[in-house]
Amino acid sequence: GDSVTQMEGPVTLSEEACLTINCTYTATGYPSLFWYVQYPGEGLQLLLKATKADDKGSNKGFEATYRKETTSFHLEKGSVQVSDSAVYFCALISTYNAGNNRKLIWGLGTSLAVNP
Amino acid sequence: DAGITQSPRHKVTETGTPVTLRCHQTENHRYMYWYRQDPGHGLRLIHYSYGVKDTDKGEVSDGYSVSRSKTEDFLLTLESATSSQTSVYFCAIWDSYYGYTFGSGTRLTVV
Repeated sequence: GDSVTQMEGPVTLSEEACLTINCTYTATGYPSLFWYVQYPGEGLQLLLKATKADDKGSNKGFEATYRKETTSFHLEKGSVQVSDSAVYFCALISTYNAGNNRKLIWGLGTSLAVNP
Repeated sequence: DAGITQSPRHKVTETGTPVTLRCHQTENHRYMYWYRQDPGHGLRLIHYSYGVKDTDKGEVSDGYSVSRSKTEDFLLTLESATSSQTSVYFCAIWDSYYGYTFGSGTRLTVV
């Protein structure tokens, strides 16, 4: 079945360091891919998305490119801030899952801590 | 903002008691979901709804039931709460542009 694999955390970085959080997926067809972020004590928020191969999603300085050849959707940011400390979730919806449920397939999340 | 409100935000209940969590949305979205979030398990789907009175089970539905008598409200009931149901519960809606939008969560503790 469909699945998402994220790199395990926690990831600890200093402010202004570069960030990459790896995400790979297994899916039939052509899934849509998402990154969600969860700040401490809050719900999940959509960070960015990509709906077809080679699309690049971007938001708040974060980017991720939908790579069908490597089945990957790695999250990157060139210079992290303390305010980026959160848990990041990679997720997909398969185009074959477009019936009644629109269920997201989730990774387990990667915790990021950014130190001043 | 999809206008999703979860209530209560926090609840402590005793083992064996029934508990109902409420999710309310203000924008007439068809699809609604209940998830639980636990360390090491990420988010797991409990139940979902694709319309009034149309619901189905997710991957961890045992011990839970749902009801959707109005478009705007999706209720999650723990029939007889157990300690294993201590968790943070999130409601979500789906729309075709934004994808999922989540509520702020309900932290449930079963003692």
